[in-house]
Amino acid sequence: DTEVTQTPKHLVMGMTNKKSLKCEQHMGHRAMYWYKQKAKKPPELMFVYSYEKLSINESVPSRFSPECPNSSLLNLHLHALQPEDSALYLCASSPRGSGGSDTQYFGPGTRLTVL
Amino acid sequence: AQTVTQSQPEMSVQEAETVTLSCTYDTSESDYYLFWYKQPPSRQMILVIRQEAYKQQNATENRFSVNFQKAAKSFSLKISDSQLGDAAMYFCAYRIYSGYALNFGKGTSLLVTP
Repeated sequence: DTEVTQTPKHLVMGMTNKKSLKCEQHMGHRAMYWYKQKAKKPPELMFVYSYEKLSINESVPSRFSPECPNSSLLNLHLHALQPEDSALYLCASSPRGSGGSDTQYFGPGTRLTVL
Repeated sequence: AQTVTQSQPEMSVQEAETVTLSCTYDTSESDYYLFWYKQPPSRQMILVIRQEAYKQQNATENRFSVNFQKAAKSFSLKISDSQLGDAAMYFCAYRIYSGYALNFGKGTSLLVTP
């Protein structure tokens, strides 16, 4: 089973709202990732958690705040977003995080629209 | 910095035919992994195939196979007996052995016609 689930599927929010995206996996993976994907572009890495510690933060604005409550869950808290933050947000997980043949498995994504 | 180039923004293939998607990459690393991911209109990124750079043998997964030319830094994907369900955006991606990040190419949109 290589399933990563994400909720919600779609989210529309105003620039003053606070919302959260949720990602879950039950494959026993120890690394989880957030990617941002604009239309007709490849995904861009935002954050990596490895063994529940933030390992990579790719200079993402502070209006995006990741949280990893446990090894199966990954949240992305959103606050004071801008219209240009509208995108598909993809979550992924991998068995170890780095090294060796670690392969990332992606969820279906959350389509975010900021008005 | 590592870069991944997919020179074909769009490709078209007839059902049951074979198509090859090209990918080149630039790296100074010796240990790395290469991937092809498929993203259909449903949006989910699906792993198609993976190649370890230290392996000379080309990876194969059912109708999907790669032609990995390490010296030329080329990693093409061949889809045999194309099916309508193969229509999607295909991304080539690279990751160094010890790294987290996948570096993606810009993608090739594959259209499959009946």
